[in-house]
This record gives sequence, C-alpha cells and structure tokens, in this order.
Amino acid sequence: GDSVTQMEGPVTLSEEAFLTINCTYTATGYPSLFWYVQYPGEGLQLLLKATKADDKGSNKGFEATYRKETTSFHLEKGSVQVSDSAVYFCALSDPGATGNQFYFGTGTSLTVIP
Amino acid sequence: EPEVTQTPSHQVTQMGQEVILRCVPISNHLYFYWYRQILGQKVEFLVSFYNNEISEKSEIFDDQFSVERPDGSNFTLKIRSTKLEDSAMYFCASSVGTVLNQPQHFGDGTRLSIL
Repeated sequence: GDSVTQMEGPVTLSEEAFLTINCTYTATGYPSLFWYVQYPGEGLQLLLKATKADDKGSNKGFEATYRKETTSFHLEKGSVQVSDSAVYFCALSDPGATGNQFYFGTGTSLTVIP
Repeated sequence: EPEVTQTPSHQVTQMGQEVILRCVPISNHLYFYWYRQILGQKVEFLVSFYNNEISEKSEIFDDQFSVERPDGSNFTLKIRSTKLEDSAMYFCASSVGTVLNQPQHFGDGTRLSIL
C-alpha cells in the first residue's frame, strides 16, 4: 500500500543553517506530494506541493523536488529562521489507487535557536 | 483568507459518552475529511465525504463513528460511545476538488481527551 517515510526528529539548528528533512514514499499509482507545516497550537498548513515527477514546489524559501527515480521529496531551506520552528509533515495523495485520502509521514519537529 | 474552523478546541469526555466534533469547511469546497493524530503518532485518515455521502473510509472508522452535514455549512464527526483509545487530535479538512490538483485545507484541530 501507499506510505510515507519521514526523517526522524527532533532537529535542532542554529539560525541561518541549512535545513534538509528527508521524505521517501511508496505508491502504487502516480501520486501528488505535499509538505505541510504545523506551528505550535495551530493546524496543518500547506507549505508546498508537486504533482508530477521533476516538479519543484517552493514557498517561503522552502523547496522540494519530486524525484520519481529515488521516490523522494526532500524538504530544503538554505537559511532557517527562528520563526521556522514547527513540525513538518510530508504527505502524498494517490487518487488512482486510493481515492482522495492523504497519507502522512510521522512529522519532523524542527527547533531553530538564535 | 478563508479557513476551516473547528470547535471546540479541546473536549474532555467520560468514557462511554457520545461526543460530536464540529467543523465549518471553506464555503466553496465540495470535499470534506476527518483525520486523527494520536499523540506521537502519524496523522491518520478517517473518512472523506462528498455530495452528502461517505466516499471513502479507513479501518479506523468503524460503527462507533459517523459523519453528517446537517446544514449547508457544518460538517460533524460523532463518536457514539467513546473509548480511551479515541483520545487524539482530530483534524477536519476540506478541498475544492479531487486531491490530485487541489490540496486539502486543515482546521486547527480538536483535542479529544477521554477519561
């Protein structure tokens, strides 16, 4: 079945450090891939998405490239800020195989220290 | 920017009691969803709803669970007889169309604590 495997946390970085959060997926069809972010006390917010292979999603300095050959969708940011402290979730949808539900990773907690 | 709203933010209920979690999806959205996240675990799909009926449900969504769109704006999740293991954060989501092209928009969640 479909699944998402996400890098274990928590991750602690200094401000302006480079961030990578790994995400790999298993899907039977042709999934769309998403990164969601959850700030403390809030719900899940869409950060970026990619709907086909080699697409790059980007938003707020974050990027992720849909790599079909490695079944990956790693999240990167060149210079993190304290305000980026949150939990990040990788997710996929695979309507051809599973209807319209999302599959989420376990989430990676990021703390950025000044 | 329109958003999905959920009430209450925290619900405490005795085991065996019925509980209703409420959601107001974004007004022009057509698809509605419930997910749950047990503390420290993955966000898990429960059910999707379209055109006034369930379109898909997971194994978690057994006979104790039901969903309803009682009017044009609310979308509710009812747990008939709560168990300790129902304690979790419950997220409502909505989307304009099928997920492939349109992402799901999530509410802030309701934390359900069963005593």
